[in-house]
Amino acid sequence: RKEVEQDPGPFNVPEGATVAFNCTYSNSASQSFFWYRQDCRKEPKLLMSVYSSGNEDGRFTAQLNRASQYISLLIRDSKLSDSATYLCVVNGVDSSYKLIFGSGTRLLVRP
Amino acid sequence: DGGITQSPKYLFRKEGQNVTLSCEQNLNHDAMYWYRQDPGQGLRLIYYSQIVNDFQKGDIAEGYSVSREKKESFPLTVTSAQKNPTAFYLCASSRGTAVYEQYFGPGTRLTVT
Repeated sequence: RKEVEQDPGPFNVPEGATVAFNCTYSNSASQSFFWYRQDCRKEPKLLMSVYSSGNEDGRFTAQLNRASQYISLLIRDSKLSDSATYLCVVNGVDSSYKLIFGSGTRLLVRP
Repeated sequence: DGGITQSPKYLFRKEGQNVTLSCEQNLNHDAMYWYRQDPGQGLRLIYYSQIVNDFQKGDIAEGYSVSREKKESFPLTVTSAQKNPTAFYLCASSRGTAVYEQYFGPGTRLTVT
């Protein structure tokens, strides 16, 4: 089983739609969780950290479910510029510095 | 502007040659990392360094070497021993002595023929 698993997609949605991605992680001892965004042929950029109580940043909402070991990202009112690959990231517990990156979920927002 | 720089953006080499990729940060971050990304795949950790003059192997260190002589710099050498060196190489840094988010440089695309 992969340490971090994501549905690769692509998710193809119209502008204005709400879309949600889930990610599961294997190590119950993981403590830190992030969502990154990666545009085609570019570096990943931090979208948001994921806190235990859930957190929101504008149109983006992240949730953590420790009991089921999954993280979600909800995007409301999708924009064309949201088209990208979204990476789920979890800390590795064998080293406090190590982050484990999922392979990403691709989102395509169409006009 | 604070950030991470990598050079060059594109690099072409012949098989059998060693090549060194540059990574510099002016964020005053303690930790630095090297990842490789292959088409359609996730990031895989090559090496990481928590402090100057110290570094650890990641998941795929074979065929690579690093140094950390200065806090700002973490160069990666891809040696001729690396079987499949063609990839997108990403350098990242993070602050402190706990788990923090990592910030990435723009990457170097290495093509070996």
